[in-house]
Amino acid sequence: DSGVTQTPKHLITATGQRVTLRCSPRSGDLSVYWYQQSLDQGLQFLIQYYNGEERAKGNILERFSAQQFPDLHSELNLSSLELGDSALYFCASSVTSTSYNEQFFGPGTRLTVL
Amino acid sequence: GESVGLHLPTLSVQEGDNSIINCAYSNSASDYFIWYKQESGKGPQFIIDIRSNMDKRQGQRVTVLLNKTVKHLSLQIAATQPGDSAVYFCAEREDYKLSFGAGTTVTVRA
Repeated sequence: DSGVTQTPKHLITATGQRVTLRCSPRSGDLSVYWYQQSLDQGLQFLIQYYNGEERAKGNILERFSAQQFPDLHSELNLSSLELGDSALYFCASSVTSTSYNEQFFGPGTRLTVL
Repeated sequence: GESVGLHLPTLSVQEGDNSIINCAYSNSASDYFIWYKQESGKGPQFIIDIRSNMDKRQGQRVTVLLNKTVKHLSLQIAATQPGDSAVYFCAEREDYKLSFGAGTTVTVRA
């Protein structure tokens, strides 16, 4: 158990819908990262937050948005869902914005878009 | 944009032997590299990292080598164990953005 929690574990929805994925970082970690892992695209970095502020943006679509709240949990919002958005979405956390050696991943949320 | 890639998608290794996993990168501006391990059904796990001003770094049973001249990164696992069976990803960072390779699946034969 990494200490990073993600809910829900599984999510099945239809095209065109909107979903919210939630992540609670490890206690004391200020930085949260979101990643997408799919069979065709592999593992992709989406976005990073540090203490409530966006720190870096990767291959995140405009239909996707995220935020980190004052209690440091984070949400990833996916809208106008397409079949190709079906993937595993991982959240990770670390103490600082650059401590990858202390970055821990959550178990992931498996999103299936039908 | 430029991306990180791995030379081989699969690697089969005898238990007790050393494993070498290779990675080619193309972004010369990357300043930091990471190797991750992902076991089936789990999220990635940090293994070892190296900064661009280094060419070698050792951890417990693992060594990462960086050759900036040919933009090549490798991960060596000593005395490979069954628990090392997993998918291994290399990643490069530029300006806080990570790019991942496609991954190499390592299977350890008993």
